[in-house]
Formats: sequence, C-alpha cells, structure tokens
Amino acid sequence: DVVMTQSPLSLSVTLGQPASISCRSSQSLVHSDGNTYLTWFQQRPGQSPRRLIYQVSNRDSGVPDRFSGSGSDTDFTLQISRVEAEDVGVYYCMQRSHWLGTFGQGTYVEIK
Amino acid sequence: EVQVVESGGGLVQPGGSLRLSCAASGFTVNSQFMVWVRQAPGQGLAWVSLISSSGNTLYADSVKGRFTISRDNSKNTLYLQMNSLRVEDAAVYYCVRGQMDVWGKGTTVTVSP
Repeated sequence: DVVMTQSPLSLSVTLGQPASISCRSSQSLVHSDGNTYLTWFQQRPGQSPRRLIYQVSNRDSGVPDRFSGSGSDTDFTLQISRVEAEDVGVYYCMQRSHWLGTFGQGTYVEIK
Repeated sequence: EVQVVESGGGLVQPGGSLRLSCAASGFTVNSQFMVWVRQAPGQGLAWVSLISSSGNTLYADSVKGRFTISRDNSKNTLYLQMNSLRVEDAAVYYCVRGQMDVWGKGTTVTVSP
C-alpha cells in the first residue's frame, strides 16, 4: 500500500498569515496514464470532507484562490496564502494513483 | 443537484450485520466508480471499498471477506453489505463519487455488545 505522510500534524496560524502543509508518498504518484492523482480535502468541524484541489494543483469550483496545491512525484504541498477563520479544520491529502486509495493522517489547522 | 445520501447505519452487536445504502441523484452510479470511505471516532479517513463502472470491486484488507459493495442501477443506489462486524468497524461511513468530489453526510455505524 502507498503510505501518505503529512506534516505537520497540527498548525496554529495567525489570521492573515500563510500556512503550508506537506504530503509525501511512499511511491511515485505518477499514474500509468501520465496523470498524478493527488487530492486535498478540507474537513471543517462536524462536516463531511470537501474536495479542494485535485490532480495536484487544480482548484475546485468555489474554493477560494488563497488555496493552492503544488508538487510532483512523491512530494506535495497545500498552501493557504492568508488564513481566515473559516479555514479551521483538518486537511487531508489522498492518492488514488494506486488502488486502493490512501489518505494522509490529516493536519489540524487552528487560529492562534 | 448532484448529491448522495447514505442510510442504514445503526447499533449492532459484534458479529452482526448491516447494509448501508447510498442513493445518488444528479448522476448515475454506474457511470463512474463509487467509493465507501469511513472515519472512526476522532480518527482520520480510510478507504473501505470501491466499485468501478464496469463492476470490478476492491476492498481494504481490514474488511476483505466480510464486506460486499454492490449497486442497483435501476434504483441508482450503491450498497455496502457489512457482515461479521467488529468493534473496530465502528465509524461514520461516507459514500463518495469516484472523482472524490461528491460526499454524503455519512451514516454512523456503532458496534458494541
């Protein structure tokens, strides 16, 4: 199984400051079709997960442009350019380049 | 509106069975792969099973041989039959469209003597 390792596991950020979450995979996530199926989710307290970013860097409709994804092969990053109060929650990376998909442990983001 | 709605969770004793349902609207469950993901209390997310558009199925090792994923195209509904339930299967179970872009609110499974 592909292991996804996120860091840090928790993050305390001042409003308006940037935040960055790292996600590393135990194998390359480049699929045989040439795509890299690395996805980022946000889970606010008491809610279902919400997809933010798919295929490394594609932002979903309705997701603020302060969220961005980058990376390649085994090393990926989610960045929030200016953290807002509504960004509090847990962020997960997930790969589905190799079945069965796997999630990272999650990173809890709170406001300092 | 594209959405999925799960049902069928509840309290069951270890060794018991439950069948979860996921009613889809706005798309057809047989047009792409569908996934069950679970989240144990206070824990992270974990894939449970998927079914492809062609009907191929995959399971996490922890549920292989005990859980069965299926779908009824006429009802546009996905299912998860869960047998021989264990305490460690207790979780919120989410039905997710294969692109991982549409999630339900989840249904809670509690396994306790």
